[in-house]
Amino acid sequence: AQSVTQPDIHITVSEGASLELRCNYSYGATPYLFWYVQSPGQGLQLLLKYFSGDTLVQGIKGFEAEFKRSQSSFNLRKPSVHWSDAAEYFCAVGGRSNDYKLSFGAGTTVTVRA
Amino acid sequence: EPEVTQTPSHQVTQMGQEVILRCVPISNHLYFYWYRQILGQKVEFLVSFYNNEISEKSEIFDDQFSVERPDGSNFTLKIRSTKLEDSAMYFCASWTGGQETQYFGPGTRLLVL
Repeated sequence: AQSVTQPDIHITVSEGASLELRCNYSYGATPYLFWYVQSPGQGLQLLLKYFSGDTLVQGIKGFEAEFKRSQSSFNLRKPSVHWSDAAEYFCAVGGRSNDYKLSFGAGTTVTVRA
Repeated sequence: EPEVTQTPSHQVTQMGQEVILRCVPISNHLYFYWYRQILGQKVEFLVSFYNNEISEKSEIFDDQFSVERPDGSNFTLKIRSTKLEDSAMYFCASWTGGQETQYFGPGTRLLVL
């Protein structure tokens, strides 16, 4: 079975500070990993994805994530947070072995204080 | 940039009524999905569709749900007799397969009264 755990339900960070969101996954084969961001009442926007190759992936809006197979993790980072980064962030895992269906984590809500 | 479209954006219905949610996936994609997100909760997989048949469905996808790709372009989700707990945002997605992004539509917010 595939699953994603996002240990942090809510994170508050000051504008300009760094941000790290944790994601641990369970998947029986080679995983495809994703981070999505969602503003209230809105759809899902893809921040970045990992399929293979370089384990440090760059995404939009200055985000990056690192795939660590040994830790089954795919943590999201941003060096300097902007007020517009306040949103909910979802990590997801999928792959070839199950027709690419995605399993999502419960999400982490990020609040940015001035 | 290709996009998945969904209609309607919002739908309000009475409990027990049938609803059909519509999606137009990206034209050269082969895999199609429905997900739902109850307010304040995570996104949950409902069903995947490949080669004109369901390839996998979740426990949520019971006999009240069905999917169709009637004309080679639209992909629909039907809920036969809606319940209050079906109130959620429903997302359609499509994928070419391989190392490509799964594209999500903007969602349909369904409210069952």
